[in-house]
Amino acid sequence: EAGVVQSPRYKIIEKKQPVAFWCNPISGHNTLYWYRQNLGQGPELLIRYENEEAVDDSQLPKDRFSAERLKGVDSTLKIQPAELGDSAVYLCASSVTGGGTEAFFGQGTRLTVV
Amino acid sequence: AQKVTQAQTEISVVEKEDVTLDCVYETRDTTYYLFWYKQPPSGELVFLIRRNSFDEQNEISGRYSWNFQKSTSSFNFTITASQVVDSAVYFCALSHYNQGGKLIFGQGTELSVKP
Repeated sequence: EAGVVQSPRYKIIEKKQPVAFWCNPISGHNTLYWYRQNLGQGPELLIRYENEEAVDDSQLPKDRFSAERLKGVDSTLKIQPAELGDSAVYLCASSVTGGGTEAFFGQGTRLTVV
Repeated sequence: AQKVTQAQTEISVVEKEDVTLDCVYETRDTTYYLFWYKQPPSGELVFLIRRNSFDEQNEISGRYSWNFQKSTSSFNFTITASQVVDSAVYFCALSHYNQGGKLIFGQGTELSVKP
């Protein structure tokens, strides 16, 4: 069975440009997460979806970040405009449900803003 | 406050040595879950184990073992007879039952196993 798939793996953009990341979760997983991992740190949650509903976006910088999960499957995370401080690895994860079940992660997208 | 502390930033051992990675957590809730993940250089976080707060039994899986002690709020991870392939960053994480699976990660411990 395929794991969580993310693309692109790497992205380099100039500041003030837009960027988008795509995630395909494991089939049948209702809960989808986007995490951001800064260098040398543990991941931090940006947003959590239950099916197509964003149920926890308290850590998402809404002035420049947006996300969607149409039809409760694939998800896209967008940054517009990007800032130098957005350089990080963006990780997507999915789980069967929330509430303590293990989450499975994709390989992440490494974003570099120059 | 909910927090996970991994005080060991880096550990270096020689192959076949045993190594223990420490994890201390803080929470006011009585129902929670603890996890360990492995992050190899490829970047993907690999799930290793989950424990709930009501199950303090230690667990062994091959060369891996975990020691959960609520009295000291610790969930330590031991690798026996380490191998070069164990080299990675290891993360301990905490999740509360009423937060939909949101993981609170520690800063990670980078383990280097030298041949």
